[in-house]
Amino acid sequence: GQQLNQSPQSMFIQEGEDVSMNCTSSSIFNTWLWYKQDPGEGPVLLIALYKAGELTSNGRLTAQFGITRKDSFLNISASIPSDVGIYFCAGQSGTSYGKLTFGQGTILTVHP
Amino acid sequence: DTGVSQNPRHKITKRGQNVTFRCDPISEHNRLYWYRQTLGQGPEFLTYFQNEAQLEKSRLLSDRFSAERPKGSFSTLEIQRTEQGDSAMYLCASSPIRGGAAKNIQYFGAGTRLSVL
Repeated sequence: GQQLNQSPQSMFIQEGEDVSMNCTSSSIFNTWLWYKQDPGEGPVLLIALYKAGELTSNGRLTAQFGITRKDSFLNISASIPSDVGIYFCAGQSGTSYGKLTFGQGTILTVHP
Repeated sequence: DTGVSQNPRHKITKRGQNVTFRCDPISEHNRLYWYRQTLGQGPEFLTYFQNEAQLEKSRLLSDRFSAERPKGSFSTLEIQRTEQGDSAMYLCASSPIRGGAAKNIQYFGAGTRLSVL
């Protein structure tokens, strides 16, 4: 099935460093969402973006909805060990009853 | 309400057996979605309900798969004659239909991990 192109696939960083990951698509989306998934659990919503160009923060997390509506990025500042997990972007078009199209995920490892 | 609930959390079955999973959405969420997630991949859409009506099915949903939401509340996903390729995490999500932009937010359950031997 179609998936978004998410990069990088994995990141190994030191505690306190900033992290940036992004997602691109060949299709336009009306909504971009960023989720975090821990092993054996379902995805948990971090940030939702609804307008092109929108920049939204949630604590140490900042995400932006690209102007072309075909991309989004997520930044995590001052990483901490509990940031470890898999981060997924997801796009939602206005034409398909709300189904989400997900990226392949970015595996984040934070070394204390 | 504590969120989307899925049962069982884990299911091990032999090839050829039938399995059924249950999803209880967040109260008053009209929309319910099923996704499948294999190792190292993001979730992939399977099907979607608005109240009782199944409005969209992915091509991933073969004839061996059937989903129901008979009373517009909980949903079941059945896989008949399971194959080893069906081994995956099956995720359920729900979203409200009211509330402007909030209607787009899907909340996920913890999933049911299926292993077909």
